Amino acid sequence: NAGVTQTPKFRILKIGQSMTLQCAQDMNHNYMYWYRQDPGMGLKLIYYSVGAGITDKGEVPNGYNVSRSTTEDFPLRLELAAPSQTSVYFCASSPRLAGSDTQYFGPGTRLTVL
Amino acid sequence: GENVEQHPSTLSVQEGDSAVIKCTYSDSASNYFPWYKQELGKGPQLIIDIRSNVGEKKDQRIAVTLNKTAKHFSLHITETQPEDSAVYFCAASSGNQFYFGTGTSLTVIP
Repeated sequence: NAGVTQTPKFRILKIGQSMTLQCAQDMNHNYMYWYRQDPGMGLKLIYYSVGAGITDKGEVPNGYNVSRSTTEDFPLRLELAAPSQTSVYFCASSPRLAGSDTQYFGPGTRLTVL
Repeated sequence: GENVEQHPSTLSVQEGDSAVIKCTYSDSASNYFPWYKQELGKGPQLIIDIRSNVGEKKDQRIAVTLNKTAKHFSLHITETQPEDSAVYFCAASSGNQFYFGTGTSLTVIP
């Protein structure tokens, strides 16, 4: 199994541009998550999904959108990128409800907005 | 929502010594407490976890303790090795969401 994969690894955007961060998992996990990690800070939950077709907001959803059309894929969309969205983004998946099982993280996408 | 505080932010120990990292949480409904290790340029990886019905859990050189009354939990690493050098995060979970501490950068000096 490849586990959780993320593309791209690095990206530089100009203010106002849009992009999609890709995340895929091959473990047949129902639950998937998007986090951002700012320097010296812990991970903050952006969005999560409990299954295909179901998504919900986390702590910091503003400026982002998600969709979950399949169990495997959970893309994160940034519309009108802003410097405040400069961060490292991690996708994670979990086999069961987050409160009762662990998460498996991807390698991250480092995004810079200039 | 939940608030997780983690201390210290940096920790240096001599190889072979023990390291202790402490976290507190605010939501008494939190029932799952994982610890993650993050190496440079990689995603966090689970090293140990504990559930609210257990007070202590051990896995070789790593142990976690939980005090539900005081709402704090700690990571203990014994006989530290240079490869233990990394950033460690605690987290608390209730329901669908995880809340992370701000991380501890551990350096093990050979």
